[in-house]
Amino acid sequence: LAKTTQPISMDSYEGQEVNITCSHNNIATNDYITWYQQFPSQGPRFIIQGYKTKVTNEVASLFIPADRKSSTLSLPRVSLSDTAVYYCLVGVIYNTDKLIFGTGTRLQVFP
Amino acid sequence: NAGVTQTPKFQVLKTGQSMTLQCAQDMNHEYMSWYRQDPGMGLRLIHYSVGAGITDQGEVPNGYNVSRSTTEDFPLRLLSAAPSQTSVYFCASSLQGGQYEQYFGPGTRLTVT
Repeated sequence: LAKTTQPISMDSYEGQEVNITCSHNNIATNDYITWYQQFPSQGPRFIIQGYKTKVTNEVASLFIPADRKSSTLSLPRVSLSDTAVYYCLVGVIYNTDKLIFGTGTRLQVFP
Repeated sequence: NAGVTQTPKFQVLKTGQSMTLQCAQDMNHEYMSWYRQDPGMGLRLIHYSVGAGITDQGEVPNGYNVSRSTTEDFPLRLLSAAPSQTSVYFCASSLQGGQYEQYFGPGTRLTVT
């Protein structure tokens, strides 16, 4: 399982774009990159997943450079409700593969 | 769909007591798992199952048992509760394991005194 490194915490203000970068230097060929969001007292929620280049959905964008050794989760125009912990995970989509969480990035959005 | 449900929401145990945390899903997912989350920490995998009748250990399995007799249910048993097991427990399910989208339950907050 590829190890990931992401900042422990980040601060932002409402309306700003937030970029959270995750480093995964030993990512394998078959690995995907997945981001989860966790609000206090709730279970994590799937945000976005990608393999290479750029993926966008209604919530966020995921940028993956050609070497895939890092990825950036981009949250456009954050609001107070985006205050949460964001987890970056790397691994394969196999039935027997485990999902291993790190400590995540705690994003605090201020008014 | 109710999604992933967990009961109870809160539980207080005395050291040495045993109990079962219930987890059920109605999405016909093959893969189910249990995590614990300690204050300020990420989630740690306790046990997981890739289908009915099949279970395996995660990162922190000691002190916990699981079974998977049906696709829908995946109970977690604490054999002899210890204060170190005070934590929030999350159950998750998915069509497949790994990076396949996981759906998490609301959690059970357990305190062992």
